[in-house]
Amino acid sequence: AQKVTQAQTEISVVEKEDVTLDCVYETRDTTYYLFWYKQPPSGELVFLIRRNSFDEQNEISGRYSWNFQKSTSSFNFTITASQVVDSAVYFCALSPYTGGFKTIFGAGTRLFVKA
Amino acid sequence: GAVVSQHPSRVICKSGTSVKIECRSLDFQATTMFWYRQFPKQSLMLMATSNEGSKATYEQGVEKDKFLINHASLTLSTLTVTSAHPEDSSFYICSARDSSQKTGGFYNTEAFFGQGTRLTVV
Repeated sequence: AQKVTQAQTEISVVEKEDVTLDCVYETRDTTYYLFWYKQPPSGELVFLIRRNSFDEQNEISGRYSWNFQKSTSSFNFTITASQVVDSAVYFCALSPYTGGFKTIFGAGTRLFVKA
Repeated sequence: GAVVSQHPSRVICKSGTSVKIECRSLDFQATTMFWYRQFPKQSLMLMATSNEGSKATYEQGVEKDKFLINHASLTLSTLTVTSAHPEDSSFYICSARDSSQKTGGFYNTEAFFGQGTRLTVV
């Protein structure tokens, strides 16, 4: 089965706190992509990062960082020093080779950052 | 990055009418486009895969006759919601993958998403 689990439905933090959004995926494919998207209230999906299954390097982009661990099938996302503008729904997604790389989304985590 | 344009961004229609949503890849060619549906506070669910020049592939539970998909060119796919009803009100979003960015069957780019269309059927 191909599946993405984001166990955290909602997270609320105070500005400047660090927050980690969890993502666990399931696939039998050895070739796949993983993504994180941000969906602000306007509804559009904002691409944040893509990782392919052969690249386990962690990545940092400004206040954002990602930890990809194949051993635990996890692709967690950390926002450092959160800001009110980070408030949004964040989706983790899996795009496996089987099925033509269709993107399978997790349920999403709604992040509230309070001033 | 690549741009996918979706139109309209919002539409309100009367129950029983049909609505067409367009998805265009502006600066790349896409042999495959995907259509998703998102209900309020829920995740995106894949409805169908649109293939240029052939019939779309629908996910289980999606009515083919209700959600007509046409992928007539390498840059345009359309989704028509026929005989719309209030329960069809939702956020519809498309994505497209650059067909040229493929090496040995392995895509090396992500699928780019349109801005989405919020459909309200009254």
